[in-house]
Amino acid sequence: DGGITQSPKYLFRKEGQNVTLSCEQNLNHDAMYWYRQDPGQGLRLIYYSQIVNDFQKGDIAEGYSVSREKKESFPLTVTSAQKNPTAFYLCASTPGGSSYEQYFGPGTRLTVT
Amino acid sequence: KQEVTQIPAALSVPEGENLVLNCSFTDSAIYNLQWFRQDPGKGLTSLLLIQSSQREQTSGRLNASLDKSSGRSTLYIAASQPGDSATYLCACPGGGADGLTFGKGTHLIIQP
Repeated sequence: DGGITQSPKYLFRKEGQNVTLSCEQNLNHDAMYWYRQDPGQGLRLIYYSQIVNDFQKGDIAEGYSVSREKKESFPLTVTSAQKNPTAFYLCASTPGGSSYEQYFGPGTRLTVT
Repeated sequence: KQEVTQIPAALSVPEGENLVLNCSFTDSAIYNLQWFRQDPGKGLTSLLLIQSSQREQTSGRLNASLDKSSGRSTLYIAASQPGDSATYLCACPGGGADGLTFGKGTHLIIQP
């Protein structure tokens, strides 16, 4: 079955540590996205990539970094510079940009103490 | 910058009722609008995608409409069931970056 996988489902880290969240898709989609969701808030765009080896900042990129070395993979690193990293992180993909239907993974809940 | 608002924030109705969820957006120059469902602690499931050239889309008991000129979309759920209980999110492109701008959602509870 085609889809988007995110791992792990739950992640716990100490403050000051960098952590990398995995996102893999086998839909052969060109574009991939990372969103953050906080209680009572809508999803907010962190980073997106429309093609391999290229990515762009979204609305809240500070304290995050990404890479896009393979079409199917778009890992997100939450760095120690991110002031409030505890959140639910969602990865998504489309065949080519936001003019297409967007598909989401199951999410990773990150807790930093 | 695109802003998306959803009303009501929460809704509780008895099973069997028809209901309407509302979504408004500030920048009408969108090329589509998407409705999602989210269950607690889960990712988003796409329900309906309406292209800007369309006025409505239907999937089973769900019907979504789009009025770009007024900056509004509605999601109509017919004959609601307890399994429809979830948070419903609408989203559309906008704001400069590629990617979707989301409303905060409507938390729906269908009472058995």
